[in-house]
Amino acid sequence: DQQVKQNSPSLSVQEGRISILNCDYTNSMFDYFLWYKKYPAEGPTFLISISSIKDKNEDGRFTVFLNKSAKHLSLHIVPSQPGDSAVYFCAASDDNYGQNFVFGPGTRLSVLP
Amino acid sequence: NAGVTQTPKFQVLKTGQSMTLQCAQDMNHEYMSWYRQDPGMGLRLIHYSVGAGITDQGEVPNGYNVSRSTTEDFPLRLLSAAPSQTSVYFCASSLRAGPSYEQYFGPGTRLTVT
Repeated sequence: DQQVKQNSPSLSVQEGRISILNCDYTNSMFDYFLWYKKYPAEGPTFLISISSIKDKNEDGRFTVFLNKSAKHLSLHIVPSQPGDSAVYFCAASDDNYGQNFVFGPGTRLSVLP
Repeated sequence: NAGVTQTPKFQVLKTGQSMTLQCAQDMNHEYMSWYRQDPGMGLRLIHYSVGAGITDQGEVPNGYNVSRSTTEDFPLRLLSAAPSQTSVYFCASSLRAGPSYEQYFGPGTRLTVT
């Protein structure tokens, strides 16, 4: 049973519009969340993170929102650019010491020019 | 500064063969880890190391061995390859253990076991 779910395998958005990628989790002990971006034939790269003491974290065009009661987080990209086209992974951890993250299956974002 | 490097990029093995996937980092990172990625699934942790001489199991360790004799290198050994080990393997490193430390991933090794 997947503890971290990304129910949309793919998403297409027009350039300049907002992209919203969603992630749900089942383990209430998760207290740290990250988003990674992955291009084909490359390893994932870190995008943005949020700890459970916050409900929002912003970095330039990227904002992550956390709703602990709903066990839901979302990544907003505004404005979307063609270079944002990639697979986005949500990851969660309940391990304050290690890096033992549980990853979701990913959402493929296509930003259309 | 090459970051995290992995060799080989591609490998085909027959069932029962053994091999070692190489991973090296030049950032003096304490923490290193191995993940596998299968279609429709997220990355799953195989083994990790919090420093030279220290390794531990992740979520899916069966069929794999690791060692960490130096800070730089963290090889992953497949003892007797099985078709279920067909996957893309990623090595990652971070300065220290802890979720707030950014993980840097290598480009991956695509392994096929026939």
